Amino acid sequence: KAGVTQTPRYLIKTRGQQVTLSCSPISGHRSVSWYQQTPGQGLQFLFEYFSETQRNKGNFPGRFSGRQFSNSRSEMNVSTLELGDSALYLCASSLGEGKPSNYGYTFGSGTRLTVV
Amino acid sequence: DAKTTQPNSMESNEEEPVHLPCNHSTISGTDYIHWYRQLPSQGPEYVIHGLTSNVNNRMASLAIAEDRKSSTLILHRATLRDAAVYYCILRQTGNQFYFGTGTSLTVIP
Repeated sequence: KAGVTQTPRYLIKTRGQQVTLSCSPISGHRSVSWYQQTPGQGLQFLFEYFSETQRNKGNFPGRFSGRQFSNSRSEMNVSTLELGDSALYLCASSLGEGKPSNYGYTFGSGTRLTVV
Repeated sequence: DAKTTQPNSMESNEEEPVHLPCNHSTISGTDYIHWYRQLPSQGPEYVIHGLTSNVNNRMASLAIAEDRKSSTLILHRATLRDAAVYYCILRQTGNQFYFGTGTSLTVIP
């Protein structure tokens, strides 16, 4: 079956602009999580959506937001981009039901965002 | 989530077993131990997870200490494709993954 698809793969934006990234989870997966990866901070959790509702949120400013659609596809938005937002943004999907600690996540290949 | 401690880097010869250690001395009874790996230019990939008993799958084995304060990921025969950063993560029900710095594994031909 198809894996987690993230689009676009690469993106260059200017400071102050906003950006929207997209994630299509594995068919049947209802949970979508987003992570930011930078060389300095490593992998950091942004937020998780399950059945169109935000279920968990990491410690990021309000400029970072997301949403999930009825087909489980998710988007994340970053407004007023800063140079420090340059990172690899990863999306992960999972079944989302039952005991979350007992199942794995499938990650996409990420969107590489560069802010200039 | 409880923290994990892993060596920053390890080396292994190709076709030899690799034992990647992870310390998690503050683990709670409901924490599952998850291992993921990340190859260059890719997202993390699920490797294995367990709670108390040792686990085996087609990719690796997970050996969990009796007191659960440490665990070891075992790659039975390292290949060049196993060169990656390996993350040991503790996860409780309802919580997200919190990745540490992981162990960068180099496989020497």
